[in-house]
Amino acid sequence: QLQLQESGPGLVKPSETLSLTCTVSGDSISSNSYYWGWIRQPPGKGLQWIGSISSSGSTYYNPSLKSRVTILVDTSKNQFSLKLSSVTAADTAVYYCARTSSTIVGATTAHWFDPWGQGTLVTVSS
Amino acid sequence: SYELTQPPSVSVSPGQTASITCSGDKLGDKYVCWYQQKPGQSPVLVIYQDTKRPSGIPERFSGSNSGNTATLTISGTQAMDEADYYCQAWDSSTEVFGGGTKLTVL
Repeated sequence: QLQLQESGPGLVKPSETLSLTCTVSGDSISSNSYYWGWIRQPPGKGLQWIGSISSSGSTYYNPSLKSRVTILVDTSKNQFSLKLSSVTAADTAVYYCARTSSTIVGATTAHWFDPWGQGTLVTVSS
Repeated sequence: SYELTQPPSVSVSPGQTASITCSGDKLGDKYVCWYQQKPGQSPVLVIYQDTKRPSGIPERFSGSNSGNTATLTISGTQAMDEADYYCQAWDSSTEVFGGGTKLTVL
């Protein structure tokens, strides 16, 4: 059974860089043609996609965060990571990692996130 | 940027049918999926590719998508279905989430 687990500091100072790792177990991150994504949820608010990466390192990011986000993959460790620079209090959120599945029917692409990790709360505060 | 709009809240009586909508420009031309999130838990996929149910999701969950609106329907709603529900679609290399709908079963 595929499982994902986020890890990293729970407290980050303003202007510093948030760094999280997602460890995948139960299957190889390189198997099939999945992408692997990061999604966040500020306290009491909705979900915001941050970005996704393939096992070969191809990435796509949320345009609103692109200038501050880097997502990398380490297939030897079956992990992928998130770095978000110049954080502010607005970046306080529960951060989730998830596997992205996709299919193409005709000219239409379907994407969905499943499964998700349990999430980790990151607070930005001095 | 593409936007998905959901009603903030929907109420339903136990045993009745709940309908949660997700609206976007020409949304019927895209594929939509839906997530259920209970308090303190991670989101769980309940519908993908408009109408498909993942293994383990009860048959009372169904989805449709046409025109500018996608709909998640829960038939015979149970107390355990009380949760936040989010729609999601893929547009121009971007994953887009709706703002979420709180389903109250009362």
